Amino acid sequence: AQSVTQLDSHVSVSEGTPVLLRCNYSSSYSPSLFWYVQHPNKGLQLLLKYTSAATLVKGINGFEAEFKKSETSFHLTKPSAHMSDAAEYFCVVSEWAGANNLFFGTGTRLTVIP
Amino acid sequence: NAGVTQTPKFQVLKTGQSMTLQCAQDMNHEYMSWYRQDPGMGLRLIHYSVGAGITDQGEVPNGYNVSRSTTEDFPLRLLSAAPSQTSVYFCASSYSASGRNEQFFGPGTRLTVL
Repeated sequence: AQSVTQLDSHVSVSEGTPVLLRCNYSSSYSPSLFWYVQHPNKGLQLLLKYTSAATLVKGINGFEAEFKKSETSFHLTKPSAHMSDAAEYFCVVSEWAGANNLFFGTGTRLTVIP
Repeated sequence: NAGVTQTPKFQVLKTGQSMTLQCAQDMNHEYMSWYRQDPGMGLRLIHYSVGAGITDQGEVPNGYNVSRSTTEDFPLRLLSAAPSQTSVYFCASSYSASGRNEQFFGPGTRLTVL
């Protein structure tokens, strides 16, 4: 069975400091993993995805994530937070076989303090 | 490309009323889906379609109907609205049903049922 756990419901960082949003998953198969971002009153936008290629994945806006199978983790990082990064972030796991098997985490709200 | 469009953006219904949420995409995507987003629960799949004429139920299908008569359109019908259906609804599409594909999300419909 698949599931996703986002370990923090809310993360607050100062502008210019590193960002770490944590995600752990469980999957019976080789998973695909995604991070999506949702700005206020907007739809979700893909930040990055892992689909069994390189374990360190680079995404848009300076974000990256590392797939660690031994730790069943897919944490999202960024070296230096910007005010425009304030948003809700969702970690998503899927089996490769069907998109109907997408499982969303409950989200992490990132606040960036000026 | 307009991407994924949804109408209306906001809607208020009374208990027992019916309505249709519209979703359209202009990317010729095979796969379309509807999610609802509730506080602290991430996104949950309501219904999905892997192509015109083919639909199936997701995690929370009760109280909703869908149809897919064209590749572009995937309307969601609320048969008899209930307060428990107060939520934000997102339509999404992707190139195929493979779990490796990026989902493209519409801007959402915020529904309140009184």
